[in-house]
Formats: sequence, C-alpha cells, structure tokens
Amino acid sequence: GAVVSQHPSWVICKSGTSVKIECRSLDFQATTMFWYRQFPKQSLMLMATSNEGSKATYEQGVEKDKFLINHASLTLSTLTVTSAHPEDSSFYICSAYPTTGNTIYFGEGSWLTVV
Amino acid sequence: DAKTTQPTSMDCAEGRAANLPCNHSTISGNEYVYWYRQIHSQGPQYIIHGLKNNETNEMASLIITEDRKSSTLILPHATLRDTAVYYCIVRVIPQFYFGTGTSLTVIP
Repeated sequence: GAVVSQHPSWVICKSGTSVKIECRSLDFQATTMFWYRQFPKQSLMLMATSNEGSKATYEQGVEKDKFLINHASLTLSTLTVTSAHPEDSSFYICSAYPTTGNTIYFGEGSWLTVV
Repeated sequence: DAKTTQPTSMDCAEGRAANLPCNHSTISGNEYVYWYRQIHSQGPQYIIHGLKNNETNEMASLIITEDRKSSTLILPHATLRDTAVYYCIVRVIPQFYFGTGTSLTVIP
C-alpha cells in the first residue's frame, strides 16, 4: 500500500522556538497534502490543505503565520510551528492524496511537546 | 465540517461480526463515503470507501443504503487488534473532515 512517512515521530522544544515536521510520500506523488492536529481523546482537526507549488489553504481559526506550510515538491510537505507555546503541544498528522486515485494516506504522526 | 454522525462507542465479542453504523443524511450525489480507523497514537489507516454500491475488500465490507443517507461498516470476524476508533467520512472535495468516530472495543 501507499506509504507516507513523517519525521520526527516526536519532538520536544523550548517555548519560543520553532520546529519543523516533514511529511513525505514514499512511493507515490501527491499533488495535495493535508495537515491535521489531534488533542488527546479528540478527533482529528484539519488545519490546512497544501497543494504542490502554491500557498496552503488554512481552515478557519488556524493561524497561517504560526503554522507555516510548504509543499515544494510532489513528495514533500513541511509544517513549521513558529514561536511555539505549550498550548501548541499536540499530535500532528499529515496525509497525502495521490495524483492518481481517490484515497488519502496518513503518516504515522508527530508528537510535539513544548516546554 | 464533518457530515457524519456515529455512535460514540461500541463493544463486540471476539470472532463475531462488528457492525458500525454511520448516518450521512446530507450527502450529495457525487460524494464518497470513506472509512478509516485509528489505533491509539498512530495515524489513521484506510479501510474502505464507496459511492453507491456495496463494497468488500480484505479488511471489511461497506453497505450503503439505497438512499445513501447511511452506511454500515462490517468487520466480519473481529479480533482484539480491531480495537480502535473508526471514522466514517463523507468527503467534501477536496478536504477530508473527520467526525467524532466510534470507539470499538473487541472483547475476548
């Protein structure tokens, strides 16, 4: 099956610093990738939709200047949490939509802890 | 926003069929129904999807009512490893919005 890889799996950073999470589609090309965040015992909340070579589309209430998304190639999207605060601590999950096909595939997720 | 409603939780005996319902009464004619599951602290795993017809694969079967307002995911012989949160999603192109899902517990 299609494989999506996220890195790092978990990261601890200090408050005020920035952290980058990578999402790669390993065996397919993805024109579109999605970023979600998930708090404990809650569902996945869509943060933004990124399309290769263009600006990401953010969901209402998501700060675009805080959560920078780059989708520079058909196999890589990155999420940068800038000036992180403890309330940004969460499980971040990416997914990729193949250029052919109509199913999205998810990465393993990245745990972010801001201390 | 999610266009689906699911029961919060369900139990199923190991070896029996697990039937997970989903209501999507506002679904449009060209919108697919997708099912994913999430085991604790992992990314969601694709199970199956369909438009109108019933679908079956190696993991599960998907039964969609004729009016498409509801569907049922069937795990034919549930195992302990099927314990997870199951999400029914109606895709609002191009996004996939998740509802609250059903927490399925398979009991030995």
